Amino acid sequence: DQQVKQNSPSLSVQEGRISILNCDYTNSMFDYFLWYKKYPAEGPTFLISISSIKDKNEDGRFTVFLNKSAKHLSLHIVPSQPGDSAVYFCAATGFGNEKLTFGTGTRLTIIP
Amino acid sequence: EPEVTQTPSHQVTQMGQEVILRCVPISNHLYFYWYRQILGQKVEFLVSFYNNEISEKSEIFDDQFSVERPDGSNFTLKIRSTKLEDSAMYFCASNRVGIRTDTQYFGPGTRLTVL
Repeated sequence: DQQVKQNSPSLSVQEGRISILNCDYTNSMFDYFLWYKKYPAEGPTFLISISSIKDKNEDGRFTVFLNKSAKHLSLHIVPSQPGDSAVYFCAATGFGNEKLTFGTGTRLTIIP
Repeated sequence: EPEVTQTPSHQVTQMGQEVILRCVPISNHLYFYWYRQILGQKVEFLVSFYNNEISEKSEIFDDQFSVERPDGSNFTLKIRSTKLEDSAMYFCASNRVGIRTDTQYFGPGTRLTVL
């Protein structure tokens, strides 16, 4: 079941630069998308979300872009900070649904 | 800041034994969830619970699994007869009014090891 895919298992970015994490989905019924950050030995922490009626949502250093025709979303973090080093998961859900389908995660390392 | 708590942090059990994983969601939250993450794999949805009943469950959540909110504060996941493949991190989560309108908060997880 690969309805949500994060094709890059890891990403390294210099501190202060932009981090771009990507996510693709296959299920056309998904209409709400979320990004979570996870540190070791902790549960996922919600970062930002986007509804399918929008193509961009911004919250501070975090921006999520949604391209519905390509079934692709991305998370931009700018500027990247050392505390951003973590595993990032994208997740999706469909209308009237409380079930989240997660991607496999991307480990982001910010290099000082 | 309010948080979701889970006990125990690590549970070791023998195959075939019953385990109960406990969670205390944030006090004014109404939606409750269990997820699991097998080592090296993605986080998987197990079940959602609202208004004292299961609202959705995944194909993983078979007859060996059950959930309960016994006393208005705890939310438990019971696995009746554990299998080796049940070894995973189990995360509890809660939110106040549903995923789309409210932040979902996750607990720190319980690591279940089945021997």
